[in-house]
Amino acid sequence: DAGVTQSPTHLIKTRGQQVTLRCSPKSGHDTVSWYQQALGQGPQFIFQYYEEEERQRGNFPDRFSGHQFPNYSSELNVNALLLGDSALYLCASSPRDRDVSPLHFGNGTRLTVT
Amino acid sequence: AQRVTQPEKLLSVFKGAPVELKCNYSYSGSPELFWYVQYSRQRLQLLLRHISRESIKGFTADLNKGETSFHLKKPFAQEEDSAMYYCALSGSSNTGKLIFGQGTTLQVKP
Repeated sequence: DAGVTQSPTHLIKTRGQQVTLRCSPKSGHDTVSWYQQALGQGPQFIFQYYEEEERQRGNFPDRFSGHQFPNYSSELNVNALLLGDSALYLCASSPRDRDVSPLHFGNGTRLTVT
Repeated sequence: AQRVTQPEKLLSVFKGAPVELKCNYSYSGSPELFWYVQYSRQRLQLLLRHISRESIKGFTADLNKGETSFHLKKPFAQEEDSAMYYCALSGSSNTGKLIFGQGTTLQVKP
């Protein structure tokens, strides 16, 4: 079991551009959550997807959007990139049919905006 | 406001010494509390959760609702415990939304 996989591992973009990050959940998991982790900070919740819909959202602007596919994989899209969007983006998956399921995290995508 | 506070950015101890990583939280309901750990060059992973009341790798954590704390403890630190530790809170069941603290780096010296 490969666990949660994310691609790419690193990405460099220019301010104003758009970026798409990808995540495949752990086998048997149907729920995907995305987190942003700035340097020296703990992860911050962006949003959660299950059944191909956004179910919960953190305090992030509409420039951050996502998608979940029928195979449970997910994408995070960020439009009009700002320098402050530079961070490690973590994907986490869990099965939805368990109480307070512990999250399984991927290794993250390091996004640098110049 | 929902918040998790880890007051120490760095905790440095010698091997064999007791360890206590502090975590305080602010939440109006009944939260679920977790400790996640990230070893060097590894992904973030669950260490323990308060509802399990387990001891993992010798670590324990007791939820103190009166003091709104969930401190992580180990009686005798090992060098392999050196890692980044995050305390996290979930406000409702069956959710992927965790509120994390800023993390504490534990450094265990030989």
